[in-house]
Amino acid sequence: GAGVSQTPSNKVTEKGKYVELRCDPISGHTALYWYRQSLGQGPEFLIYFQGTGAADDSGLPNDRFFAVRPEGSVSTLKIQRTERGDSAVYLCASSFGGVSEQYFGPGTRLTVT
Amino acid sequence: SQQGEEDPQALSIQEGENATMNCSYKTSINNLQWYRQNSGRGLVHLILIRSNEREKHSGRLRVTLDTSKKSSSLLITASRAADTASYFCAPMSGGGADGLTFGKGTHLIIQP
Repeated sequence: GAGVSQTPSNKVTEKGKYVELRCDPISGHTALYWYRQSLGQGPEFLIYFQGTGAADDSGLPNDRFFAVRPEGSVSTLKIQRTERGDSAVYLCASSFGGVSEQYFGPGTRLTVT
Repeated sequence: SQQGEEDPQALSIQEGENATMNCSYKTSINNLQWYRQNSGRGLVHLILIRSNEREKHSGRLRVTLDTSKKSSSLLITASRAADTASYFCAPMSGGGADGLTFGKGTHLIIQP
């Protein structure tokens, strides 16, 4: 079946602009995760949804970052007033609730100029 | 979850040789997972080993877990060029669906 998809694959934006990154999880997966990865580093956890609610948002770096999953499927990560330090690959993953293995999407490469 | 530390940070071997990388962690776990990442994009789940297991195999992969030493190893036998990637471990303290914490990984290069 289809894997996790993320759009866009690349996004270039100017400092101070607002961006939205979209994630379509594997059908039937109740858990959805967002990570971001800087060059040479491992992925850094941002937020995790179980169904529609954020079960753990402890990784969001500040209040410029927000994520939603209104119908328990697709999720959008929103970044306000982007900064150059937000440049990274943003990864989304999904899993069956209560199971640890996560399935990752290809990521969105965000570049803030 | 807790962060695992992969070692070595980089490894370069000849095609056909075996590659071994290690993961250490600090507190007790429910399970430990290994992931592979090609070209800095999406990660692929390789194998999950539970705390009551000592060894697990999947194709050319062999994972061991020593809970007394709080360490795990991933062995790739008969390496291929396609195995060139970064490898990450993710120790899980809980048994359910939590966010993963990754270290910097082991960057493996297979020389033709």
